[in-house]
Formats: sequence, structure tokens, C-alpha cells
Amino acid sequence: AQKVTQAQTEISVVEKEDVTLDCVYETRDTTYYLFWYKQPPSGELVFLIRRNSFDEQNEISGRYSWNFQKSTSSFNFTITASQVVDSAVYFCALSLAQGAQKLVFGQGTRLTINP
Amino acid sequence: GAVVSQHPSRVICKSGTSVKIECRSLDFQATTMFWYRQFPKQSLMLMATSNEGSKATYEQGVEKDKFLINHASLTLSTLTVTSAHPEDSSFYICSAPTSGGAFETQYFGPGTRLLVL
Repeated sequence: AQKVTQAQTEISVVEKEDVTLDCVYETRDTTYYLFWYKQPPSGELVFLIRRNSFDEQNEISGRYSWNFQKSTSSFNFTITASQVVDSAVYFCALSLAQGAQKLVFGQGTRLTINP
Repeated sequence: GAVVSQHPSRVICKSGTSVKIECRSLDFQATTMFWYRQFPKQSLMLMATSNEGSKATYEQGVEKDKFLINHASLTLSTLTVTSAHPEDSSFYICSAPTSGGAFETQYFGPGTRLLVL
């Protein structure tokens, strides 16, 4: 069975600080996909990134960056120069490449950026 | 990106009534859709996989007779909560992967907040 763990339940930082959200996953499959979603107070899930298990290249998109390490089964998410609008709950998720492709979510990390 | 809609966005009902939630893919066809449930301050838990042209697949612990799923067309799946009770109050979210042979990203609807009194 697949499992995703986000050990940080809540994080609170001051605006402009950098913050890293941790994600550790478990799966016996060799082909899988990892995701990060943002859930603002409105509740809608916003897709941020998808990574497949064969691509360990780190990715940067503006203030967002992701560090995928298969050796430690981690897929961490860093926000640099955080802004108040980044406040939300962030979910890491995993899906197998074969089969129904349903997502297994981590518990989520509630990020609060204080002005 | 792909758009998925849900209706209604909020619903309040009395205990014992049934509530229908619609999930639509607006600009793509989805042979598969997923229904998730999220209780306050908790993660999303998959309830069932909705399959166009066949029966839904339910996750362990989800009552198929209570949560009826009908994938009526390639763009519409409905979830009916039958004989709703206060413990069914939750945030229900659907998702749909974009079509294609290779894996595509799943897009989520805006969710439906259900409150059962």
C-alpha cells in the first residue's frame, strides 16, 4: 500500500522568510507520480506540480522549488520570500502509474504567513 | 488548464434526506472520476472511483448503498448521499484526470460543503 507523510502539521513564519514543507512517501512500485496541491481557505485544490519517479531533477517555478530525493523517498517543497497569499494548507500526494491512478494524500501542512 | 465544476457548492439538509452532488468536466471527457471526502482539518480520503459505463469502485469502509455514484456520461458523475446523517457532514470533492493514454494530471472541482442538521 502507498503512504504519504507530512510530519509538519502547522508552520508559521513571517513574511519574506523561506519555508520548506516536508513530504515522505512509501511505495513498493517503481513507477509512480508525486504531486503538491495548495488548498486555500476557499477549499478548492490548486495543482502545483507533478513529478514522475524517473525524473529526479529538481524544479523551480518562480518562488517555488521542489527537491525530489528517491534515496530518502522525499519530495520537499520550498517557498522562498514567502508572502501572505501563500497561506494555505498544502498537500503532498502520490499516485501509481498503473491502475486507477487514484491519489493518496498526506495529512497536509497548514502554512501561515504573518505580515 | 482543465476545468472541473461541482454543484451545488454548499448544501444544508435535514437528517434523513438525500443529497445529490454533480461533478462535471467542462472542457474534456473523463471516463474516470474520483470522489473524495474531507472532514474539517483533515486530509482528503478517496471514497470511490466513478467509471463511465460501469459500476463505481468503492474504497474499503465506504458504504456503496449510502453513497450512490452514477457516471452518466463522459462529462458527468453524480454522488448521492442517501438518508444523510449529521456524521455525513463534510467537504466532498471530485476530480477527473484529463483523457489520454498516458497519465495526466488530475484536476479537482471546487468542492461541495454538506451540512446535515
